[in-house]
Amino acid sequence: AQTVTQSQPEMSVQEAETVTLSCTYDTSESDYYLFWYKQPPSRQMILVIRQEAYKQQNATENRFSVNFQKAAKSFSLKISDSQLGDAAMYFCAYRSLHTGTYKYIFGTGTRLKVLA
Amino acid sequence: ETGVTQTPRHLVMGMTNKKSLKCEQHLGHNAMYWYKQSAKKPLELMFVYNFKEQTENNSVPSRFSPECPNSSHLFLHLHTLQPEDSALYLCASSQDYSQVEQYFGPGTRLTVT
Repeated sequence: AQTVTQSQPEMSVQEAETVTLSCTYDTSESDYYLFWYKQPPSRQMILVIRQEAYKQQNATENRFSVNFQKAAKSFSLKISDSQLGDAAMYFCAYRSLHTGTYKYIFGTGTRLKVLA
Repeated sequence: ETGVTQTPRHLVMGMTNKKSLKCEQHLGHNAMYWYKQSAKKPLELMFVYNFKEQTENNSVPSRFSPECPNSSHLFLHLHTLQPEDSALYLCASSQDYSQVEQYFGPGTRLTVT
């Protein structure tokens, strides 16, 4: 069975600085998706970035980028130029592409604090 | 209303009460999901409906009963809950079950006393 591990329960970053959130996963599959979701306090969970496992190029969305290391089964999120609005819980998630096993596997989350 | 909405946002209920959580999506999607989010635990998928048919039930106790009358609405009926059922219950939707991206609602914070 697949697992997703986020080893950092909480991280802090100074405003305008860069922070990296870690995620490792375990799977025997070769095709899958990986995601980072953001859940601000009392607000909806939204997709930050996603990575297809077959793509070697790391995904980037504005200030958010990932470092995807398929062999190491590592999928970290880098937030550049951190802003106060980035403060939230961040969840790493895995999703199989195999028919009939589409469900997401989530990590336990990392709470990010942004210091002014 | 746009996106995925959930009502109520907060609910306190006794162990002998019966209540229902409602989820509505305005995205034209055909798959809807219930998740349970407890502190310091990963999100747990509870139920999946695809084109109104239940496709997954992840060993959820029978005190949780889902209902999907149409592709836009999803309910979670609650009966004889336990204090450990206190959590944030999230609804999500996607175009259909095979589609990758899910859109989440704001959740219902449930407290069982």
